[in-house]
Amino acid sequence: GAVVSQHPSRVICKSGTSVKIECRSLDFQATTMFWYRQFPKQSLMLMATSNEGSKATYEQGVEKDKFLINHASLTLSTLTVTSAHPEDSSFYICSARDRRDGWYQETQYFGPGTRLLVL
Amino acid sequence: KQEVTQIPAALSVPEGENLVLNCSFTDSAIYNLQWFRQDPGKGLTSLLLIQSSQREQTSGRLNASLDKSSGRSTLYIAASQPGDSATYLCAPSQGGSEKLVFGKGTKLTVNP
Repeated sequence: GAVVSQHPSRVICKSGTSVKIECRSLDFQATTMFWYRQFPKQSLMLMATSNEGSKATYEQGVEKDKFLINHASLTLSTLTVTSAHPEDSSFYICSARDRRDGWYQETQYFGPGTRLLVL
Repeated sequence: KQEVTQIPAALSVPEGENLVLNCSFTDSAIYNLQWFRQDPGKGLTSLLLIQSSQREQTSGRLNASLDKSSGRSTLYIAASQPGDSATYLCAPSQGGSEKLVFGKGTKLTVNP
């Protein structure tokens, strides 16, 4: 149980294009999903917290107009990197909380990640 | 702002050794702390979660301890195996929220 999938696993795009990454909780409902970014040899950095049916909360320094997050259902959140540039190349990972878990009692379940390369 | 440090950055041991990975964090006002493993180019697998009120958690050959007041946690791996080779990440929850703050990890290599 508690499986989170991401699609695509890898994407290469040209500078200026937009890329959409999907994060799905396969066997549970997730009221909250998190989006992280990891640069080589760096720690995972939280980009934003996504709550179903409401606007995402972005961390300081993350451009909300560049990284569009939509959490339209209890099992799906999407991250769209708009007008991607080479500096956006990174490993993007999502995680999800099971809505049945209590506040602060939960484990976050992570997806396998999406590697983005912008040429 | 929570800052997490993991020592050592890398560790190479022969198969069968017991080992300890260290994690320190600056803000002791955490709700829980998780240990994860990350395989190259992959996502994270949760290993253990320790609530702030707990001192340790055990799962198989893994034991994690938490000393919240001193801002430290350790992950003990008994009888290490080559399959344990991965990067181990420590992530306390940021004080006052459910957000996790990650260290850079310890890259473990267990040699057959």
